[in-house]
Amino acid sequence: ETGVTQSPTHLIKTRGQQVTLRCSSQSGHNTVSWYQQALGQGPQFIFQYYREEENGRGNFPPRFSGLQFPNYSSELNVNALELDDSALYLCASSLAARGNYGYTFGSGTRLTVV
Amino acid sequence: GNSVTQMEGPVTLSEEAFLTINCTYTATGYPSLFWYVQYPGEGLQLLLKATKADDKGSNKGFEATYRKETTSFHLEKGSVQVSDSAVYFCALGVIQGAQKLVFGQGTRLTINP
Repeated sequence: ETGVTQSPTHLIKTRGQQVTLRCSSQSGHNTVSWYQQALGQGPQFIFQYYREEENGRGNFPPRFSGLQFPNYSSELNVNALELDDSALYLCASSLAARGNYGYTFGSGTRLTVV
Repeated sequence: GNSVTQMEGPVTLSEEAFLTINCTYTATGYPSLFWYVQYPGEGLQLLLKATKADDKGSNKGFEATYRKETTSFHLEKGSVQVSDSAVYFCALGVIQGAQKLVFGQGTRLTINP
């Protein structure tokens, strides 16, 4: 059983640029969530995808967008990068079921915006 | 709204000491409660959970009891080891469209031999 794989592990971008982060879900999982973890803080929910549709979103602007593919892998896209977007981005997959919080987290992508 | 407050760190203890990390929450309804652990350079791992009042979650010697009357979910371990050094996050699970986790700010724990 494979876990959640994220790529790349580290990334440096310039303010104003766009970035795409990738996530491969754990085998058998059909839901993917993305979280942003700023340095020294707890993770914050960005959004969740189920059956290729966004089914919930946190307090993040529209320049944060995502995709989920038929094989349940996912992308997080951030446009017009700002310095405050520097953070660890975590992907978590799960099997959709009410009350099931059986998330498997990846190791994250460390994004630095300069 | 939903929020989690953890005791501020960092926390430094000697090996075999007793550990308590306090966690209180604010939530509408009856959330599930979790403790996650993050080792350096890694993602989050679920340590334990409790889904209803008075439930006790336990794993690897760690315990936490869901206290509805005090809205708390304090993490305890009777005898810590150097390998327990990590960052610990308390979280609550809510359903707002999506099922999501609301995390506290984390508590860094260092255990000295």
